[in-house]
Amino acid sequence: DGGITQSPKYLFRKEGQNVTLSCEQNLNHDAMYWYRQDPGQGLRLIYYSQIVNDFQKGDIAEGYSVSREKKESFPLTVTSAQKNPTAFYLCASIDSVNYGYTFGSGTRLTVV
Amino acid sequence: QKEVEQDPGPLSVPEGAIVSLNCTYSNSAFQYFMWYRQYSRKGPELLMYTYSSGNKEDGRFTAQVDKSSKYISLFIRDSQPSDSATYLCAMSETYKYIFGTGTRLKVLA
Repeated sequence: DGGITQSPKYLFRKEGQNVTLSCEQNLNHDAMYWYRQDPGQGLRLIYYSQIVNDFQKGDIAEGYSVSREKKESFPLTVTSAQKNPTAFYLCASIDSVNYGYTFGSGTRLTVV
Repeated sequence: QKEVEQDPGPLSVPEGAIVSLNCTYSNSAFQYFMWYRQYSRKGPELLMYTYSSGNKEDGRFTAQVDKSSKYISLFIRDSQPSDSATYLCAMSETYKYIFGTGTRLKVLA
């Protein structure tokens, strides 16, 4: 079955540590996205990539970094510069604007 | 003012009721409108998609878009306890979607 796989499901980060969230898709979609979801704030766009080796900042990119070396993969690194990283992170992809996003199952990141 | 406004709820209804969920928006350039359902601790799943104005029906779900009023709605007929979830509206003019904050719905058996 085609879909988006996010791992890990739960992640704990210590203060000052960088962590990387994985996102892999086998849908052959060109565009991929990272969103952050906080209670009462909806989904906020962190980064997106429309083609391999190219990506753009979203609305809340500070403290995050991404890469897009392969069409199937779009990992997100939460750096120590992100002061409030505890949230639910969602990866999505899209083939055509007519069909909307396909989302992964999410990674819940907690600072300990 | 946010680009997309959505009442966060929670909204509690008895089983079998008709549910109406709504979003308003400010950007008249939006052309693509979607509704997603999100169960707790899961990723959102696409429920309904509408291009431009009009209605779309799929089983118990009907999506309406009124571009003149900048208002979209999702109706759920014969609501079931399994419909209990958060419903997110989303809209776009291009590849980048703007999401509402979501409305939490609880259908009571």
